[in-house]
Amino acid sequence: DAGVTQSPTHLIKTRGQQVTLRCSPISGHKSVSWYQQVLGQGPQFIFQYYEKEERGRGNFPDRFSARQFPNYSSELNVNALLLGDSALYLCASSRNPGYGYTFGSGTRLTVV
Amino acid sequence: KNEVEQSPQNLTAQEGEFITINCSYSVGISALHWLQQHPGGGIVSLFMLSSGKKKHGRLIATINIQEKHSSLHITASHPRDSAVYICAVRTNSGGGADGLTFGKGTHLIIQP
Repeated sequence: DAGVTQSPTHLIKTRGQQVTLRCSPISGHKSVSWYQQVLGQGPQFIFQYYEKEERGRGNFPDRFSARQFPNYSSELNVNALLLGDSALYLCASSRNPGYGYTFGSGTRLTVV
Repeated sequence: KNEVEQSPQNLTAQEGEFITINCSYSVGISALHWLQQHPGGGIVSLFMLSSGKKKHGRLIATINIQEKHSSLHITASHPRDSAVYICAVRTNSGGGADGLTFGKGTHLIIQP
């Protein structure tokens, strides 16, 4: 069974650009969460989706948005990129929000 | 003050030593996770706890709900255990599905 897959693995963008990150959960997992991990820090919660609806949102500006598709895959969009958005973006899936999480390997975004 | 505090931040030990990593939290939780992160970013879920103790191989995790404290122990440590160990909690959100709140991690190095 494939794990949580994220794409792309690495990405370099310029300030002001927009980026879309993708996540495919484990088959049967209906909940997807997104986290931002800045170098040297623990991950910070961005969004959680369950059954295609937003179930939670962390303390991130409106430049960050996400959605979940009927097949439970998810996209994270970041507009008007800032240098400070450079981070590892992690996706985690679970059967539902109360179950254990499986993490993807992350997308490393560098904003220059 | 961070809602999730880990100690120590850094730990270097010799192969074979018994390792203890501590996690304290200040909020009501429904579950606590111990995660392992290797260089490059991939996160592996080790344990999810809501009470008591769990054991998997050389790893043992305990939680004391009343004291809001959890420990991760590694017996007979090995250089391959070198990684960042992260404590994360799922808070009691009163019906909503919030994401995890993470500690900053403990950077463990096991020397041969």
